[in-house]
Amino acid sequence: ETGVTQSPTHLIKTRGQQVTLRCSSQSGHNTVSWYQQALGQGPQFIFQYYREEENGRGNFPPRFSGLQFPNYSSELNVNALELDDSALYLCASSPGLAGGGANVLTFGAGSRLTVL
Amino acid sequence: KQEVTQIPAALSVPEGENLVLNCSFTDSAIYNLQWFRQDPGKGLTSLLLIQSSQREQTSGRLNASLDKSSGRSTLYIAASQPGDSATYLCAVTGYSTLTFGKGTMLLVSP
Repeated sequence: ETGVTQSPTHLIKTRGQQVTLRCSSQSGHNTVSWYQQALGQGPQFIFQYYREEENGRGNFPPRFSGLQFPNYSSELNVNALELDDSALYLCASSPGLAGGGANVLTFGAGSRLTVL
Repeated sequence: KQEVTQIPAALSVPEGENLVLNCSFTDSAIYNLQWFRQDPGKGLTSLLLIQSSQREQTSGRLNASLDKSSGRSTLYIAASQPGDSATYLCAVTGYSTLTFGKGTMLLVSP
């Protein structure tokens, strides 16, 4: 059983550019959540995808968008990058919605984004 | 809006000590509470999950308790080891999201 894999692991962008981060969910998991973790902070919820539909969104502007594919993998897209977007972006998958029962989230190792 | 606070922010102890990490949350309407471990620059590893109807969970040297009515959880680590050095994060689960605290950075020295 494979875990959650994220790519790329590290990347550097400049202000105004766009970035796409990718996540492959754990086998058997149909729900993917994305979190942003700034240095020294706890992860902040961006959004969650359940069966290819967005199901819950945190306090992030529309330039943060996402997709979930039929195989339950997911992408996070960020447009018009700002310096404050520099963070570790974490993807997590679960066998159902995060609030349902004992659905433990399995986190990937993250993608470290630096915006210059 | 749910807020999660962890105390202390950092903790340094010698090997072998028993220690307690604290987590408090403002909204008791939660599905469950989880404790995670995060090594520097790495992702999160789930340590323990406590359902809202449960009072505690144990895994090896770790014991987590939950008092939902008072909005508190504690993570007890027995006989700490240098390999326990990491940041420990507490998170409460709402409908579709986890709300995290900022974590407690633990250093266990040999």
